[in-house]
Amino acid sequence: DAGVIQSPRHEVTEMGQEVTLRCKPISGHNSLFWYRQTMMRGLELLIYFNNNVPIDDSGMPEDRFSAKMPNASFSTLKIQPSEPRDSAVYFCASSPGAAGVYSPLHFGNGTRLTVT
Amino acid sequence: TQLLEQSPQFLSIQEGENLTVYCNSSSVFSSLQWYRQEPGEGPVLLVTVVTGGEVKKLKRLTFQFGDARKDSSLHITAAQPGDTGLYLCAGGQGGKLIFGQGTELSVKP
Repeated sequence: DAGVIQSPRHEVTEMGQEVTLRCKPISGHNSLFWYRQTMMRGLELLIYFNNNVPIDDSGMPEDRFSAKMPNASFSTLKIQPSEPRDSAVYFCASSPGAAGVYSPLHFGNGTRLTVT
Repeated sequence: TQLLEQSPQFLSIQEGENLTVYCNSSSVFSSLQWYRQEPGEGPVLLVTVVTGGEVKKLKRLTFQFGDARKDSSLHITAAQPGDTGLYLCAGGQGGKLIFGQGTELSVKP
């Protein structure tokens, strides 16, 4: 089991550029989550999918953020255009079912995004 | 608005000391999980508590879920430098997990 794989590990970009973060969940897991972590706000849930369908995107901060899950083994989080306040560590996590009682989250190692 | 409040936010202690971290909310959760995160890595699950009043032990770590399922605590006995890290509580609601701000623990030898 390779775990949740995120790429890239680090991304440095200039304000206004498009950024795409990628995630490969654990095989067989049918829920996928995107979180953002900052010192000020901690871990914030951005969006989550169940069986490739977006269930709750209420945490997506603005229309500049979009997420897709075209199949069970791949998801992307896109920011366009990026702004300095988007700088954070973005985590992808997957779970065998709905997160909570019997379905812990398995996190990737995150993508550290810096927007200058 | 944070649904889960953790305290303290930072804790620096000497090896061998005991400590307790608290996780409080005004909301009821179907379950509560504790995670530990090390620098450069994602959080890793320590334990899940489900029943009000439940107590679980993991070696030197004791986790308790409040009777009303609104709060939880993590107690570490005889802390070791290897316990250093960010401890996060997370409440389950509607198929998703909401995380607290975390407690940054530093255990000095």
